[in-house]
Amino acid sequence: KNQVEQSPQSLIILEGKNCTLQCNYTVSPFSNLRWYKQDTGRGPVSLTIMTFSENTKSNGRYTATLDADTKQSSLHITASQLSDSASYICVVSADNSNSGYALNFGKGTSLLVTP
Amino acid sequence: SQTIHQWPATLVQPVGSPLSLECTVEGTSNPNLYWYRQAAGRGLQLLFYSVGIGQISSEVPQNLSASRPQDRQFILSSKKLLLSDSGFYLCAWTGIGASSGNTIYFGEGSWLTVV
Repeated sequence: KNQVEQSPQSLIILEGKNCTLQCNYTVSPFSNLRWYKQDTGRGPVSLTIMTFSENTKSNGRYTATLDADTKQSSLHITASQLSDSASYICVVSADNSNSGYALNFGKGTSLLVTP
Repeated sequence: SQTIHQWPATLVQPVGSPLSLECTVEGTSNPNLYWYRQAAGRGLQLLFYSVGIGQISSEVPQNLSASRPQDRQFILSSKKLLLSDSGFYLCAWTGIGASSGNTIYFGEGSWLTVV
């Protein structure tokens, strides 16, 4: 069964600190892995997307890593800001046809950045 | 550029009343369209997806239905709402094939409270 597990479930950090969110998956075959940021009551917004051959990808203060051998990904947030407070969702696709049918969603990590 | 619109943003409906959530996509043609539900503490659950006009696939048996009367319009409906239908509903779209960028775009979501 395809599964995407995220940890921690929730996280509280001080403004300016760094943090790392984890995503482990058992999805097979693997096509790509995406990280989304979802503000409360809003739709998710894409941060990064990585395919099998990519090990790291950055988007501003967000850096995602992928180890396809161990089926693990991490999202590192540098110099956190209050606006980083949101839920971060890991999504793994088992199909390169870009069909939403083949998407596997993690339950997300809720991040709270405090002053 | 492509945009996705979803409305209404919030809705409070009595048990037994009908429901209609609407979603439209602009700036693209023949998108794959999706309806998801997100419950507190749980991941996104795919409800319906459509690969073309009049083509609807249901993932979860439930009190809801979907329709696609036009290429870029996707509607989520119910004839009689249940309390358990309360939740956050997200419309999304993807392009066709891996060359489309492997990105799924989400609407802003609709909060439904059944009372």
